[in-house]
Amino acid sequence: GDQVEQSPSALSLHEGTGSALRCNFTTTMRAVQWFQQNSRGSLINLFYLASGTKENGRLKSTFNSKESYSTLHIRDAQLEDSGTYFCAAEAGNYQLIWGSGTKLIIKP
Amino acid sequence: NSKVIQTPRYLVKGQGQKAKMRCIPEKGHPVVFWYQQNKNNEFKFLINFQNQEVLQQIDMTEKRFSAECPSNSPCSLEIQSSEAGDSALYLCASSRDRYAEQFFGPGTRLTVL
Repeated sequence: GDQVEQSPSALSLHEGTGSALRCNFTTTMRAVQWFQQNSRGSLINLFYLASGTKENGRLKSTFNSKESYSTLHIRDAQLEDSGTYFCAAEAGNYQLIWGSGTKLIIKP
Repeated sequence: NSKVIQTPRYLVKGQGQKAKMRCIPEKGHPVVFWYQQNKNNEFKFLINFQNQEVLQQIDMTEKRFSAECPSNSPCSLEIQSSEAGDSALYLCASSRDRYAEQFFGPGTRLTVL
């Protein structure tokens, strides 16, 4: 079935540095969402993209539907960025197909 | 961020007991989704509604799980006879359309002893 491969599974960054997360899709997806899940389990919406690139503060996300991938870039990481990040893509059936998550730890 | 309300936040049940959780979608969002997130962070779609009508549901939902979104009342998801494997975080999401950004509630964490 439709799958989303998310990498890396875990990432440790020092404050002030940055990195990128990536999701590869095995089939054409209509759109992608990125979430941060905090320690209480709440999912915080970061981005919703049907194509192209969006930026919000220190975060930037790109969705390339033709090449079937999406990325989330974090720059100038802060302690509050710690959490688990998920991508989730819309296939053709309204549901979200979820990546396996990236556990991000920010170190002082 | 999200205005989706889910109650209760935590639910503890014995095996074989009923477990019921509720969700109030954001105002103006006619589409509601239920997902299950297990301890391995794997998400499983359960069922979705547009207004009061079921759009899709998986086989698991058709057997022990029941759900509804009545008019002017919270949506609900009920497990008729809880099993240990049902222990998970149950997430409700709402959106303004079938293909649109989904906004999630804080979830109901079910523990089946």
